[in-house]
Amino acid sequence: QVQLVQSGAEVKKPGASVKVSCKASGYTFSDYYVHWVRQAPGQGLEWMGRINPNRGGTNYARKFYGRVTLTRDTSNGTAYMELSNLTSDDTALYYCARDVGYSSVGFGHFDLWGRGTLVTVSS
Amino acid sequence: QSVLTQPPSVSGTPGQRVTISCSGSSSNIGFNSVFWYKQLPGTAPELLIYRNNQRPSGVPDRFSGSKSGTSASLAISGLRSEDEADYYCTSWDDSLSGHVVFGGGTKLTVL
Repeated sequence: QVQLVQSGAEVKKPGASVKVSCKASGYTFSDYYVHWVRQAPGQGLEWMGRINPNRGGTNYARKFYGRVTLTRDTSNGTAYMELSNLTSDDTALYYCARDVGYSSVGFGHFDLWGRGTLVTVSS
Repeated sequence: QSVLTQPPSVSGTPGQRVTISCSGSSSNIGFNSVFWYKQLPGTAPELLIYRNNQRPSGVPDRFSGSKSGTSASLAISGLRSEDEADYYCTSWDDSLSGHVVFGGGTKLTVL
């Protein structure tokens, strides 16, 4: 079954870091970019960054420069998103998504999404 | 404030046709494809339109997308109650080493 399975909900204190995993199954993990998108309560979708599972190259949204790190483990088909120096504004549902787009037609073609991981930041 | 501009809300009655606009710039919509997503409460977004006007299998032909210059639109005809959801447009932006940009989302209410 083609799917992305994310790790469970997290509760963190301000200043801490969180690492969320996204395990791919049913397809060749290295064939498609994995993106991370978050959604704060009652708010819209916000792009955080993407990773090329094949070569490990990353792009990050300017807003998260220096705070977010995307990695992957090709041996088990898993992508990771680590966000540091958390504040209450980081309380959100974090999604990973597979991008089947390519440069000539544009990226952002998310045909497969994880169910989301709720990260709550509270003292 | 989102890079792509969508109306916060639209509404229609069953059977009507509604459109949702998405305005961008030359660094995103102007040179890259537009994608549309539908999100029901408590669920992950789902792909509705890809490459400006293509429908994934399983998406009814009541949904159609178009693009002209730096703007795009999603049209929904024969409105049904199950269409009530949030809709997002997105595109790749070539500035700043490249990144994905989303619209702020449009809440569709079926009256």
